[in-house]
Amino acid sequence: EAGVVQSPRYKIIEKKQPVAFWCNPISGHNTLYWYRQNLGQGPELLIRYENEEAVDDSQLPKDRFSAERLKGVDSTLKIQPAELGDSAVYLCASSPGTVDIQYFGAGTRLSVL
Amino acid sequence: GEDVEQSLFLSVREGDSSVINCTYTDSSSTYLYWYKQEPGAGLQLLTYIFSNMDMKQDQRLTVLLNKKDKHLSLRIADTQTGDSAIYFCVKGSGNTGKLIFGQGTTLQVKP
Repeated sequence: EAGVVQSPRYKIIEKKQPVAFWCNPISGHNTLYWYRQNLGQGPELLIRYENEEAVDDSQLPKDRFSAERLKGVDSTLKIQPAELGDSAVYLCASSPGTVDIQYFGAGTRLSVL
Repeated sequence: GEDVEQSLFLSVREGDSSVINCTYTDSSSTYLYWYKQEPGAGLQLLTYIFSNMDMKQDQRLTVLLNKKDKHLSLRIADTQTGDSAIYFCVKGSGNTGKLIFGQGTTLQVKP
């Protein structure tokens, strides 16, 4: 069974440029999460989806971050415009349901110059 | 707010046992987890324990939970060089599915 797939693995951009990350969760998993992991820290939740609905986006900086999960499967996280402080690893996770074990992708490492 | 704390670094010799400790605030969690992260890789679930359990053993891994002291530990028996990684103590937050991560403990295994 394929795990959570994220792309790209690495992205280097200049500040003020837009960037997008893509996530394909494990088949059949209704819940999808986006986390941000700063260097030397544990991941922090940005947004949680139940199917197509964003049920917890309280930690998402909505002035520059947006996310979507069309058809309740794949998801895209976008930053526009990117700032230097956005440099981090962006992790996607999925689980069958809300309180089930979360399975993580390999992440996208973003460097903003 | 909710918080999970763990020591930042542990160094052991190959073949020894490793014990990684963690404390947390707020007891409204159903599960407590240990995730492993190798350099440049995502997070791999190692093991988990229900909040109504005291101990769980899975091959070389032993998890101990002291609910009174809000203390969780992970013991790795016969530690190997391949166990070198960052280990995250993670608390499931009630019934929201939200995970609260500690800062991670870097385990260094010397040959």
